[in-house]
Amino acid sequence: KNEVEQSPQNLTAQEGEFITINCSYSVGISALHWLQQHPGGGIVSLFMLSSGKKKHGRLIATINIQEKHSSLHITASHPRDSAVYICAVRSQSGSEKLVFGKGTKLTVNP
Amino acid sequence: NAGVTQTPKFQVLKTGQSMTLQCAQDMNHEYMSWYRQDPGMGLRLIHYSVGAGITDQGEVPNGYNVSRSTTEDFPLRLLSAAPSQTSVYFCASSYRRISSGNTIYFGEGSWLTVV
Repeated sequence: KNEVEQSPQNLTAQEGEFITINCSYSVGISALHWLQQHPGGGIVSLFMLSSGKKKHGRLIATINIQEKHSSLHITASHPRDSAVYICAVRSQSGSEKLVFGKGTKLTVNP
Repeated sequence: NAGVTQTPKFQVLKTGQSMTLQCAQDMNHEYMSWYRQDPGMGLRLIHYSVGAGITDQGEVPNGYNVSRSTTEDFPLRLLSAAPSQTSVYFCASSYRRISSGNTIYFGEGSWLTVV
């Protein structure tokens, strides 16, 4: 079993829909990152969470440390949100290693 | 402020050839790292550095070499390219140690094909 599991693997939505992407992990963590990978390949950091909730524009990220689960929500989705969304966790051990999920490919149709 | 710059963006190598992927950042970040991304797998850490003169192995270091002579540069060397090293490579950097919870900045990626 992978340490970081994302669901769904692929997601297709219509413009304007509310999107939820899930990330579950099996190890104790000190932080969780949500990343966005554009179709051209570039990777951008969206959020870093250690507890609670963060919001940036139409994006909301939440984390439940007890349940080892995080969600990324996109409100009023737009075709420009089409990308691969990647969850990555950093273990409590203080390791320099980030463990990445395989990503969720989101396609938002006009 | 250019961020993290990776070169080349695309490269085709023959088996056995060597090459260097360049990575430079202008944000005075202490932590730099190299990842590879393969279809159906998450990003995997190859090597990392927490400062000039300090490097360490990640999850998949075999066949790769790194050095960190300056804060700005962190080149990744493929010693003798193999088809299994066909992948997309990403350089990343952040302030201080990744374990301190700092935002990560990624380069644009380098697509490498070994034939």
